[in-house]
Amino acid sequence: DIQMTQSPSSLSASVGDRVTITCRASQNISNYLNWYQQKPGKAPKLLIYAASSLQSEVPSRFSGSGSATDFTLTISSLQPEDVATYYCQQSYSMLCTFGQGTKLEIK
Amino acid sequence: QLQLQESGPGLVKPSETLSLTCTVSGGSISYSIYYWGWIRQPPGKGLEWIGTIFHSGSTYYNSSLKSRVTMSVDTSRNQFSLKLRSVTAADTALYYCASIYSDTGGYYDYWGQGTLVTVSS
Repeated sequence: DIQMTQSPSSLSASVGDRVTITCRASQNISNYLNWYQQKPGKAPKLLIYAASSLQSEVPSRFSGSGSATDFTLTISSLQPEDVATYYCQQSYSMLCTFGQGTKLEIK
Repeated sequence: QLQLQESGPGLVKPSETLSLTCTVSGGSISYSIYYWGWIRQPPGKGLEWIGTIFHSGSTYYNSSLKSRVTMSVDTSRNQFSLKLRSVTAADTALYYCASIYSDTGGYYDYWGQGTLVTVSS
């Protein structure tokens, strides 16, 4: 199975900061990488698909990049409502796997 | 826009079978562009993929759960289901059903609200 490793596991930043979360795959997954945001008590929400495509109605401060094994989710200017846990997920294999999550807090 | 709703018992005894159903509305479970999945989240932990099913009935399961999992689809009711046998406390989790849009590799675009299943005697 393909392993997905996110870093950091947790992150604290100030409003307005640029925030970067990374996700590494254990093998080449091309651009079959998706990012989700999960707020407490809520189901995950799709942010980015195919590594860099912004899902409809997701704010443009979110962006994704990368290919093969290394991927990045960037929030260009952190907002209070971005407090959440973020997960990457590979869809290269039918045996889906998620990263372990990155918990983002406001300083 | 699809809507998904999980249903099933919230409490299951150890060694018994967990059974959940996901009802899809706002579209047909037979859409060729979609397939369907179950994901779970133990309290305070991350997301774990359980399995994926196509409207044809083809399935893919998590290797660590494969021996205990069965997924099925009922196109006449627009539902798909999960059975997990021989449960233990480690199976206590919030269980989500979700739709997978198969274009550009496949991503979970719609999720149910989740249903908490506790394994306890």
